[in-house]
Amino acid sequence: EAEVAQSPRYKITEKSQAVAFWCDPISGHATLYWYRQILGQGPELLVQFQDESVVDDSQLPKDRFSAERLKGVDSTLKIQPAELGDSAMYLCASSWTSNGPYEQFFGPGTRLTVL
Amino acid sequence: KNQVEQSPQSLIILEGKNCTLQCNYTVSPFSNLRWYKQDTGRGPVSLTIMTFSENTKSNGRYTATLDADTKQSSLHITASQLSDSASYICVVSDLSYKLSFGAGTTVTVRA
Repeated sequence: EAEVAQSPRYKITEKSQAVAFWCDPISGHATLYWYRQILGQGPELLVQFQDESVVDDSQLPKDRFSAERLKGVDSTLKIQPAELGDSAMYLCASSWTSNGPYEQFFGPGTRLTVL
Repeated sequence: KNQVEQSPQSLIILEGKNCTLQCNYTVSPFSNLRWYKQDTGRGPVSLTIMTFSENTKSNGRYTATLDADTKQSSLHITASQLSDSASYICVVSDLSYKLSFGAGTTVTVRA
């Protein structure tokens, strides 16, 4: 069964350092999402891609966060510099497209701890 | 602002017992409502999805109901098992397919 892949699964870093997360969506899925989930809360959308284009990054803290999906397949989310408040689970999800009630399939997430 | 409120925040039940989780939403215009199960340290996995015209949908021992008039949904777990211990998240989509997530209900099943 196809799955969304994410790496690393866990990341511990010190504040002011740079971190990067990688996501490989299900093959053929045009839409890719990055979410941040703070412990005890639901996921919050950071950025949404349709193929290689950003369609929604209104909640992305652009002074320190960046995301790219250069070839419209896999994607990288970067934080530079990391802050203590960035400690959270970072989830990647993909769907066939965003123009319809298509299910979003989530990856296992990357647990980030900033010390 | 579209909101999704879930209750209770957490609950503990004995193995074999039933439980019901609640979800109230203000998302409008409504497209569909989904329930996800999220095991600790893992990504959410879809259980059910219901559109405006659907009142109930089952997935094994999970049964979701939807009242679009009162903007309420429930998830009923029958004959709970230890593997049901997880967070259950209610997710509501508007007509632009933008998702609003609830904070989740943490269910702990004890032997």
